[in-house]
Amino acid sequence: QKEVEQNSGPLSVPEGAIASLNCTYSDRGSQSFFWYRQYSGKSPELIMFIYSNGDKEDGRFTAQLNKASQYVSLLIRDSQPSDSATYLCAKSLRGAGGTSYGKLTFGQGTILTVHP
Amino acid sequence: IAGITQAPTSQILAAGRRMTLRCTQDMRHNAMYWYRQDLGLGLRLIHYSNTAGTTGKGEVPDGYSVSRANTDDFPLTLASAVPSQTSVYFCASSDGPARGTQYFGPGTRLTVL
Repeated sequence: QKEVEQNSGPLSVPEGAIASLNCTYSDRGSQSFFWYRQYSGKSPELIMFIYSNGDKEDGRFTAQLNKASQYVSLLIRDSQPSDSATYLCAKSLRGAGGTSYGKLTFGQGTILTVHP
Repeated sequence: IAGITQAPTSQILAAGRRMTLRCTQDMRHNAMYWYRQDLGLGLRLIHYSNTAGTTGKGEVPDGYSVSRANTDDFPLTLASAVPSQTSVYFCASSDGPARGTQYFGPGTRLTVL
C-alpha cells in the first residue's frame, strides 16, 4: 500500500458545487497533512494544512482529518472554474511542540475540473 | 529576485552526460528540497537539506547528489544521466517549525535521450 493514496480522477463538478477531494494514508504515527494546488505547467502552492482530528476551514476551503479511518479530505465550496487544477495531498511526520518535518510524502494528485 | 529561482527552465541531455540543476532562494530559509514529478507518481523527494552544510536522502536519491555550501543555493547534480531521469524537477524551501509548508520554484523540465 502506498503511504499516501489519492483518486487520480479526473473529478468534474459544475460551477458553484462542492468539490470533495479525498486522500488515504498508511502509518498511524503523529503526522501533519497538507493540501497543495498545482495549475497545469506551474509549481505546487500550499492551500492549507491540518494535524488535528476534525475540520479546519479557510475561506471556501475545508480540510477534514479522520485519524481513526486514516483519511484526509479537502472540500471546496462554491467551486469556480479557476479552481480547476491538480490537488496534491501530502503528509509529514509531526514532532514535539507542533513542528512538522520537511520530508513530505505526496499522493499522485487528483485532477479537478470545474465546468461553467 | 523574490522566492526561488531554478535554472535551466528546460534541458535536453544526452544519456551519460553530467548535469547540474541550479536552485537559489532569497528568503533565507534554512531547509531546502529537491523533488521530481512524473505522471501518475506525484512528487517524490530526492534529497533535502535542513540547514547549510547538511544534506539527507529522500525517497529516490539514487543517481543524484546535492550540496549545500550556503543558505541560498542547493544544486542538484546528475553524475551520468539516464533516460529514467527524464522528469520535471522542483526545488522547494521552508523555514521555522512548520517545514511541511514549502515554497516551490518554477521547475526544470529535463529530457534525457
